[in-house]
Amino acid sequence: TQLLEQSPQFLSIQEGENLTVYCNSSSVFSSLQWYRQEPGEGPVLLVTVVTGGEVKKLKRLTFQFGDARKDSSLHITAAQTGDTGLYLCAGGNAGGTSYGKLTFGQGTILTVHP
Amino acid sequence: NAGVTQTPKFQVLKTGQSMTLQCAQDMNHNSMYWYRQDPGMGLRLIYYSASEGTTDKGEVPNGYNVSRLNKREFSLRLESAAPSQTSVYFCASSVRPDGELFFGEGSRLTVL
Repeated sequence: TQLLEQSPQFLSIQEGENLTVYCNSSSVFSSLQWYRQEPGEGPVLLVTVVTGGEVKKLKRLTFQFGDARKDSSLHITAAQTGDTGLYLCAGGNAGGTSYGKLTFGQGTILTVHP
Repeated sequence: NAGVTQTPKFQVLKTGQSMTLQCAQDMNHNSMYWYRQDPGMGLRLIYYSASEGTTDKGEVPNGYNVSRLNKREFSLRLESAAPSQTSVYFCASSVRPDGELFFGEGSRLTVL
């Protein structure tokens, strides 16, 4: 069974601060997706990274896929109250019996205070 | 654009009762999924259907059954509900098995 360990589980910061969320595994993934979920709604995809070492930027959010494709990070610069939510990482499996079964991390609940 | 629609949004059951969660997508996606979400445990895959006519077990299939009725619809059935099945259930779909997931708004189920 592939596992994704996400940390920290909770993050409470002030507006304007920077933060990083980590997603680690001992398994190799073919891709890594990051989702954001707001209360009462389903998760929404932020980004997909597929190449080891890949860095993608989405405005103030920077996503990185580890060189060995076993870990990923999400860095938010100058957090805003609108960034508040649950952030989930999910690892994709290229084939075999696990094909199509994304493995989700436990999630990071981010609260940004004004 | 409806996307993924789940019904019901809320349900309270007594232990031993049965119910079916309905899910429909209008994006012509091939793959559909049922997840459950519990505090501190992220999303856990119950069952999925890579394409119409196929279903496969996920991480936590015990106590559940699914039916891929057609390309649009994927239902989840609890035959004899247990308190451990109290959770928020999400249906999702994707173009291909490892692609971006599009989620419904969730169904909150409480089993007393």
